[in-house]
Amino acid sequence: DVKVTQSSRYLVKRTGEKVFLECVQDMDHENMFWYRQDPGLGLRLIYFSYDVKMKEKGDIPEGYSVSREKKERFSLILESASTNQTSMYLCASSPAGGHFETQYFGPGTRLLVL
Amino acid sequence: AQKITQTQPGMFVQEKEAVTLDCTYDTSDQSYGLFWYKQPSSGEMIFLIYQGSYDEQNATEGRYSLNFQKARKSANLVISASQLGDSAMYFCAMREGLYSSASKIIFGSGTRLSIRP
Repeated sequence: DVKVTQSSRYLVKRTGEKVFLECVQDMDHENMFWYRQDPGLGLRLIYFSYDVKMKEKGDIPEGYSVSREKKERFSLILESASTNQTSMYLCASSPAGGHFETQYFGPGTRLLVL
Repeated sequence: AQKITQTQPGMFVQEKEAVTLDCTYDTSDQSYGLFWYKQPSSGEMIFLIYQGSYDEQNATEGRYSLNFQKARKSANLVISASQLGDSAMYFCAMREGLYSSASKIIFGSGTRLSIRP
């Protein structure tokens, strides 16, 4: 079974703090994704990566950065957390190419910024 | 413009009844894929079913089937004989550019399904 793990299930941070959210997958997938989920808005893509050291902006990259130094690990960084970044953050991975390519999700991190 | 539209924010259904969750999409691509995911209260996203744009038959997976109407750009999820454990948030999603290694999945806003005993 594919396993995607996220470093924390719940996180509480203060405004202005630097926040790291870590995601690790164990299936040698090329693609990794970070989403945030807010009520009524569904999942919105923040950043994705299709290879080590490669990254692409998603729909809402402002206020976030990412790092992918190793294939299995994709980190989301909030340089200076703000209250409007309080949300559920979901990491996902998928293999590259192919006709059928679902994404495998981690359990999510609920971040509260005070 | 919304790429994926789910018009039902919430639905209540009696146990054992069938339920249809609506999804319409917007794309100019010829090759694309449509997905449905389930998210229980625990938060994890569970893949349910997939339909490719070139698939002639509607996809089925156990009690789940996807009613794919390409001309109407609709991909409704049908759950037969609903169970209490079906209570969850359901997301419709689409991936354009199927043969691109870096294509991304776009999600709708979700429908919260509640099953009454």
